[in-house]
Amino acid sequence: EDQVTQSPEALRLQEGESSSLNCSYTVSGLRGLFWYRQDPGKGPEFLFTLYSAGEEKEKERLKATLTKKESFLHITAPKPEDSATYLCALGGSQGNLIFGKGTKLSVKP
Amino acid sequence: ETGVTQSPTHLIKTRGQQVTLRCSSQSGHNTVSWYQQALGQGPQFIFQYYREEENGRGNFPPRFSGLQFPNYSSELNVNALELDDSALYLCASSLASTGGFGNTIYFGEGSWLTVV
Repeated sequence: EDQVTQSPEALRLQEGESSSLNCSYTVSGLRGLFWYRQDPGKGPEFLFTLYSAGEEKEKERLKATLTKKESFLHITAPKPEDSATYLCALGGSQGNLIFGKGTKLSVKP
Repeated sequence: ETGVTQSPTHLIKTRGQQVTLRCSSQSGHNTVSWYQQALGQGPQFIFQYYREEENGRGNFPPRFSGLQFPNYSSELNVNALELDDSALYLCASSLASTGGFGNTIYFGEGSWLTVV
């Protein structure tokens, strides 16, 4: 069964304190690993798609990386506006997304 | 903004009632899917429509049903509402050439359903 586990559940950082969020997965055949950002009461906002181990993608202070078992979302010098829940998802066999529970990131000034 | 619009944004229903949620896909997208997100959880796949036919379904009972219209807009219908149906319902759209896994999936802002 395809499965996604995200850690930690919550992460508190000081502004400028870099860190990483983890997404561990098990899948029969990788159809993409997706990262989304979700603000409270809003729908998920697409960030990245990764398709093969070793692939990396960057956007502003965020960089996503992928291995055969894990993906990491690295946040460099975060700002308070980076506070949100970050969701990791696998591409499912039905064209759907299989989500983890998310990591809630809080960045304090 | 993703171009995926949902209505209503919030609603309250009584247990046993029926509800219809609506979604307009992003222009040019031919695939629409629906997800349920309970508080503190990730979104759970309900079903997907491609060219007006259901072509994928998650672990949800038949009282969850849907439609996709020729203009690719969609409805989610839930009958015999239960308290556990209280959640954020998300519509998502994408462009898939074969009805399978396509390009990026874009989400709307969701409809908050409270069942009392």
